[in-house]
Amino acid sequence: KQEVTQIPAALSVPEGENLVLNCSFTDSAIYNLQWFRQDPGKGLTSLLLIQSSQREQTSGRLNASLDKSSGRSTLYIAASQPGDSATYLCAEQGGSEKLVFGKGTKLTVNP
Amino acid sequence: GAVVSQHPSRVICKSGTSVKIECRSLDFQATTMFWYRQFPKKSLMLMATSNEGSKATYEQGVEKDKFLINHASLTLSTLTVTSAHPEDSSFYICSARAWLAGAQETQYFGPGTRLLVL
Repeated sequence: KQEVTQIPAALSVPEGENLVLNCSFTDSAIYNLQWFRQDPGKGLTSLLLIQSSQREQTSGRLNASLDKSSGRSTLYIAASQPGDSATYLCAEQGGSEKLVFGKGTKLTVNP
Repeated sequence: GAVVSQHPSRVICKSGTSVKIECRSLDFQATTMFWYRQFPKKSLMLMATSNEGSKATYEQGVEKDKFLINHASLTLSTLTVTSAHPEDSSFYICSARAWLAGAQETQYFGPGTRLLVL
């Protein structure tokens, strides 16, 4: 059974700090891994998608890495801002084509 | 970019009534759409895969007679919660599968529908 775990469940940092969110998965036949942002009561916004053949993707202040051998992905946020406050979800897509989500990390960036 | 809409965004209903939620792909065709359910502080859970022109595929533990899915066109899938009860209260999110340039497949998510059953 595919499982995705995100650590920590919640994180609070001061504005300007660089931070790393962690995601681990059990599926060895991963197709891709995706990071999402979810604001309270809202839907999902896709941030970055890493194909299984890739090691990282970057978009602005965000950088996501993928290490299939260890079953881990990280989302690095540089120079965090209060507007980055949200829940960040990672989701793994394996051979079954289904997305399996972690529970998310709730990030609070304090001004 | 690809946009997926959901309607309604929020619905409150009495126990025993049925509620229909629509999921539309606005600027692309989607032969496959997905329905997720999110409980507070829990992961999104895939409920079913909706295929245009055929029956939906339900995940284990999801009652197909309770959660009716109809994917009648390439841009619309509907989820009907029949005889809703308070335990059906949740946040329902749909997504639509699309292929970007270069044949990279991804899912685009709707904004979600908050259902509260009294």
